[in-house]
Amino acid sequence: EAGVAQSPRYKIIEKRQSVAFWCNPISGHATLYWYQQILGQGPKLLIQFQNNGVVDDSQLPKDRFSAERLKGVDSTLKIQPAKLEDSAVYLCASSFSPRDTQYFGPGTRLTVL
Amino acid sequence: AQTVTQSQPEMSVQEAETVTLSCTYDTSESDYYLFWYKQPPSRQMILVIRQEAYKQQNATENRFSVNFQKAAKSFSLKISDSQLGDAAMYFCAYRSASSGTYKYIFGTGTRLKVLA
Repeated sequence: EAGVAQSPRYKIIEKRQSVAFWCNPISGHATLYWYQQILGQGPKLLIQFQNNGVVDDSQLPKDRFSAERLKGVDSTLKIQPAKLEDSAVYLCASSFSPRDTQYFGPGTRLTVL
Repeated sequence: AQTVTQSQPEMSVQEAETVTLSCTYDTSESDYYLFWYKQPPSRQMILVIRQEAYKQQNATENRFSVNFQKAAKSFSLKISDSQLGDAAMYFCAYRSASSGTYKYIFGTGTRLKVLA
């Protein structure tokens, strides 16, 4: 069974630029999560999807972050414009349902200069 | 609101010995799940072990076991016969079993070093 795929693995941008991350969950997993993990901290949930609907985006900085999962499978997370404090690893995870165990992708390490 | 606390930023253990990582949490809920995740330097988080709060028996997965003390809100991870491959960040996580989103709340992690 293929795991959660993410791309790119690494990204370096200047502040005020835009960036997008892609996630492909495990086949059949209806629930998809995006986390932000700042160095030295645990992952913080940014947004949770159930199929193509948003279940929880209470910690998503909506003035600069956006995410979509149009067909209920792949998802993209965008930052526009990026700030220095957005430097972090962005983790995508998926689960069969919200009650089931989450499986994580390898993450995208973002550096904002 | 629920919180998860890992008070040990870093731990070291000799290869083949046993180490215990601590985790405490705070919640007013009675039904929830607790997890330990491992994050090796490659960054992919891997589930190590999970515990349902309604189960009194401590979960075990091969060399990994937990000491779940519900009244004390404590959930420690014991790694027996430590191996070099166990070196990683370990995160304790809490998840409600009754809320609509079943959101995970992670601790700040413990970095485990395994000494040869």
